[in-house]
Amino acid sequence: NAGVMQNPRHLVRRRGQEARLRCSPMKGHSHVYWYRQLPEEGLKFMVYLQKENIIDESGMPKERFSAEFPKEGPSILRIQQVVRGDSAAYFCASSPAGVRGLNTEAFFGQGTRLTVV
Amino acid sequence: GIQVEQSPPDLILQEGANSTLRCNFSDSVNNLQWFHQNPWGQLINLFYIPSGTKQNGRLSATTVATERYSLLYISSSQTTDSGVYFCAVNGGSQGNLIFGKGTKLSVKP
Repeated sequence: NAGVMQNPRHLVRRRGQEARLRCSPMKGHSHVYWYRQLPEEGLKFMVYLQKENIIDESGMPKERFSAEFPKEGPSILRIQQVVRGDSAAYFCASSPAGVRGLNTEAFFGQGTRLTVV
Repeated sequence: GIQVEQSPPDLILQEGANSTLRCNFSDSVNNLQWFHQNPWGQLINLFYIPSGTKQNGRLSATTVATERYSLLYISSSQTTDSGVYFCAVNGGSQGNLIFGKGTKLSVKP
């Protein structure tokens, strides 16, 4: 049973370009969460999705950031017109079906390190 | 929202020593997890422990939910234990986790 898969592992973008980060949850998991980690800090929640639905995007910046989890395929975190401040590690987590993901253990992917130059 | 505080922020140990890491949280929680982030940045699940005590090899954890804290014990530490240990909790109506700032552990040979 493969774990949470994220790709790419490393991504370099010039200012103004778009970044697309992908996450495939563990088999049987229907809840996906995206987190951002700035250097020397803990992880901060960005967005929570289930298939074809955004459940909570309260942690995501209002502009330039979007996320989706289509019926088929991985979840995508998209950052448009990247700026240097977007440089960070972006982690995806998944958890099994439960009432809105409560009382279930979350598992994390290896992260995507985004560097904006 | 829930506040999560971890202590100590930094810890240096000699190989073979034991240590206790603490996580305090400000409200009741549905979920508490401990993670180890290794020097390559990978987050490894250590314990899912909203209450009670669990052990896995040299590591064990105890959560006292009524007193809003959790402890992670590392015995006979090894250099491979180095990294950052995070406590994360969920206490809201959804499954997203709130992370503490971590304890950075360095184990010297």
